[in-house]
Amino acid sequence: KQEVTQIPAALSVPEGENLVLNCSFTDSAIYNLQWFRQDPGKGLTSLLLIQSSQREQTSGRLNASLDKSSGRSTLYIAASQPGDSATYLCAVRSFYNQGGKLIFGQGTELSVKP
Amino acid sequence: NAGVTQTPKFRILKIGQSMTLQCTQDMNHNYMYWYRQDPGMGLKLIYYSVGAGITDKGEVPNGYNVSRSTTEDFPLRLELAAPSQTSVYFCASSPQAGMNTEAFFGQGTRLTVV
Repeated sequence: KQEVTQIPAALSVPEGENLVLNCSFTDSAIYNLQWFRQDPGKGLTSLLLIQSSQREQTSGRLNASLDKSSGRSTLYIAASQPGDSATYLCAVRSFYNQGGKLIFGQGTELSVKP
Repeated sequence: NAGVTQTPKFRILKIGQSMTLQCTQDMNHNYMYWYRQDPGMGLKLIYYSVGAGITDKGEVPNGYNVSRSTTEDFPLRLELAAPSQTSVYFCASSPQAGMNTEAFFGQGTRLTVV
């Protein structure tokens, strides 16, 4: 059974710092991994999608990497800003899940202090 | 540019009441999902559908029912609401289950059962 874990559960950093959020999964047979951002009381906004054949994806100050063999993904945020404060969720889409279901981690709550 | 639309955004129910959470998407996606999110937790799958007329249970289906009569709509029915169903409910869709398929989420319905 696929399980997804995100550590730490919460992270507080000063503005301008580069930071890394971690996501690990137990089964490497995945189609892809998706990173989401969730603002308090809001829905999920997709940040990056990494296909299983890819090693990384970049969008602006965000860079996501994928290492299927070790079951890990990282989301790197460069030059963090207070506007980056949110909960970040990772989710994997496994081969063996019927219907292409996403399996989510519990999220990392990020606070960027001015 | 609607994407996935959920209604209502907020609702308070009394124990034992019933209601339907509406979800519609305008992207012609075959796959649709209902998730619930409890405080501090990731999202857990309630039901999913791979096309009109086809639905299946997820991790936490008890107390819920779904139907999928059209590609666009995937309503979630709560019968005999219980306090344990207090949660935020998210509907999502994706075109299929392959490598390059991104999931899109609605803004959520915040439900309180008292």
